[in-house]
Amino acid sequence: DGGITQSPKYLFRKEGQNVTLSCEQNLNHDAMYWYRQDPGQGLRLIYYSQIVNDFQKGDIAEGYSVSREKKESFPLTVTSAQKNPTAFYLCASSIWQGAKNIQYFGAGTRLSVL
Amino acid sequence: GIQVEQSPPDLILQEGANSTLRCNFSDSVNNLQWFHQNPWGQLINLFYIPSGTKQNGRLSATTVATERYSLLYISSSQTTDSGVYFCAVFSGGYNKLIFGAGTRLAVHP
Repeated sequence: DGGITQSPKYLFRKEGQNVTLSCEQNLNHDAMYWYRQDPGQGLRLIYYSQIVNDFQKGDIAEGYSVSREKKESFPLTVTSAQKNPTAFYLCASSIWQGAKNIQYFGAGTRLSVL
Repeated sequence: GIQVEQSPPDLILQEGANSTLRCNFSDSVNNLQWFHQNPWGQLINLFYIPSGTKQNGRLSATTVATERYSLLYISSSQTTDSGVYFCAVFSGGYNKLIFGAGTRLAVHP
């Protein structure tokens, strides 16, 4: 099946711990994105990557880090510096065609703090 | 930055009813998408509609770019239409999709 796979579905973080959320796509898309969604809110962009080995900060990058070593993979690390990490995290990918940027989403990871 | 406002914030319908959701944006855009987020959190693409009108089954969308708004029509609503509907615009100047806060729809049998 073609698509975007996020894992795990649920994740718990202890104080002071770094955790990594996985995002893999087999759509051969150039661009990948990470969004954060708080309850009852819209999506806010954390990081995005247009090509391998390159990524850009979004609106709320503080306390997060990413890497893009392979086209298919864009993992997100929530570091201990992120003081309020409890949220729903969504990964997306798209073909980078400038304005015609149609994004497709994974099923999400729910992160909670223990 | 560009602002995206959706209305109404909440909507409750009886099964079979029709509805119109609105998305206003504050600047010219060259990409507008509608998404449906189901109760499990999955976002599904409904329409890519920078201008004009498109239809897909019971759903249709119209964007009037010159007047900076888009409308999503849902006809003969079903309980499976429940969830949150998001409008998102792509502004080349910001190089990213900007999401509205969503319209929460509940369809009761």
